[in-house]
Amino acid sequence: QKEVEQNSGPLSVPEGAIASLNCTYSDRGSQSFFWYRQYSGKSPELIMSIYSNGDKEDGRFTAQLNKASQYVSLLIRDSQPSDSATYLCAVNKDSTLTFGKGTMLLVSP
Amino acid sequence: GAVVSQHPSRVICKSGTSVKIECRSLDFQATTMFWYRQFPKQSLMLMATSNEGSKATYEQGVEKDKFLINHASLTLSTLTVTSAHPEDSSFYICSARTYRDEQFFGPGTRLTVL
Repeated sequence: QKEVEQNSGPLSVPEGAIASLNCTYSDRGSQSFFWYRQYSGKSPELIMSIYSNGDKEDGRFTAQLNKASQYVSLLIRDSQPSDSATYLCAVNKDSTLTFGKGTMLLVSP
Repeated sequence: GAVVSQHPSRVICKSGTSVKIECRSLDFQATTMFWYRQFPKQSLMLMATSNEGSKATYEQGVEKDKFLINHASLTLSTLTVTSAHPEDSSFYICSARTYRDEQFFGPGTRLTVL
């Protein structure tokens, strides 16, 4: 059974700090990986996609993928209170996307 | 990113009525769309996978006769909640998949059944 594991949190960081969100997955055949942000009462928003090992940077966000260790992480630099949300990790294999339960991030001013 | 719209955003109906929710991919064609349900403070729950031109695939425990899905074109999928009851009250969210296996979500429909 495919599993995507995330710490539910909340992860609390002060404004301006780096927030580090982690995700592990069980299926070694997983092919692509995604991070979504979901504000309370809203639908998920895709913020990062990563397809190969290494780092991918987009603005304040960096996704890191290590297929050998089966983990993917999301770093948020210079965290802002507006980054407070639940972050969902999603793993794709053969066009089937499996979501983790999400990590709640709280950024305090 | 790609844009997915959903209509209506909010609906309140009486018990026993049917409610139709539309999901459209506005700037890309989606051969596959997905329907999710999310209860307050709960995780996303996949209800069904909607494929253009064929029958939807439902997840275990989801009644296909109650949640009717039609994927009439490459940009439109509809979910009809038939004979809705208060326990069907939830946040229904659709998503559409691109050729890169990215899923873009619609804004969601909040259904309240009285």
